[in-house]
Amino acid sequence: DGGITQSPKYLFRKEGQNVTLSCEQNLNHDAMYWYRQDPGQGLRLIYYSQIVNDFQKGDIAEGYSVSREKKESFPLTVTSAQKNPTAFYLCASSQTGNTEAFFGQGTRLTVV
Amino acid sequence: EDQVTQSPEALRLQEGESSSLNCSYTVSGLRGLFWYRQDPGKGPEFLFTLYSAGEEKEKERLKATLTKKESFLHITAPKPEDSATYLCAVQAEDMRFGAGTRLTVKP
Repeated sequence: DGGITQSPKYLFRKEGQNVTLSCEQNLNHDAMYWYRQDPGQGLRLIYYSQIVNDFQKGDIAEGYSVSREKKESFPLTVTSAQKNPTAFYLCASSQTGNTEAFFGQGTRLTVV
Repeated sequence: EDQVTQSPEALRLQEGESSSLNCSYTVSGLRGLFWYRQDPGKGPEFLFTLYSAGEEKEKERLKATLTKKESFLHITAPKPEDSATYLCAVQAEDMRFGAGTRLTVKP
C-alpha cells in the first residue's frame, strides 16, 4: 500500500535531549512537509522540501532541523533549543506544484 | 504575508441542519486550495482540491466552492459521523493551513 509512515506514534523524552522523528513515503512524491499542531490549533509549518538535498524553513523552524538525503525520507530532529517541544507532529508529502498533500498519522511528542 | 482564516472556530448542528464553513485567504500566486477533515489524534484526511474561482467539488454531503477571496464548505443534512475538525489549506510557495472549524453534529 502506498502511503506515508510516521514513527513512532508516541515518544517521550527528557528535557534537554535531542529527538528525531521519522517520516517515510512510498508515493514517489517530490515535496515533503513537517507541521506542528498544538491542542485546539491548526497546523504550523516547520520545514518543507521540494527536492532531494534542498529544504526551506517554515514559520516556526527555530529549534528544529531536517535532512532530505533520499526522496522517500524526511526526518525531523527536535533539538534542545526548542523551548516548548511537546506537541503533535505531522508529516505530509505531495507532488510539486499544486497538488494535494497526504498526511501520516502523526507522532505525539511529550517532553518531561 | 500569506494568511488563511477559517470561521467559525466551532459549530454545533443538529442532525439534518445544513450549514457552511468559511475559509478566507490572502496569498500571492495561489496554486490550489484544499479542504481536509481531521479526527482527534489522527492526521488530516484529504477531501477536495479547488484551483480557480467558480470551481465546485462535491462528495456525499459535502460541497466545496471557491471565489477569488474565499472558499466555502457546505454541509447538507449532516450526520453525527460528520463531526470532525475541517481544515482549509492554500498552496503557493508552501502549503499553509487555517486553524480549522470544529464541527459537532448532534443526533
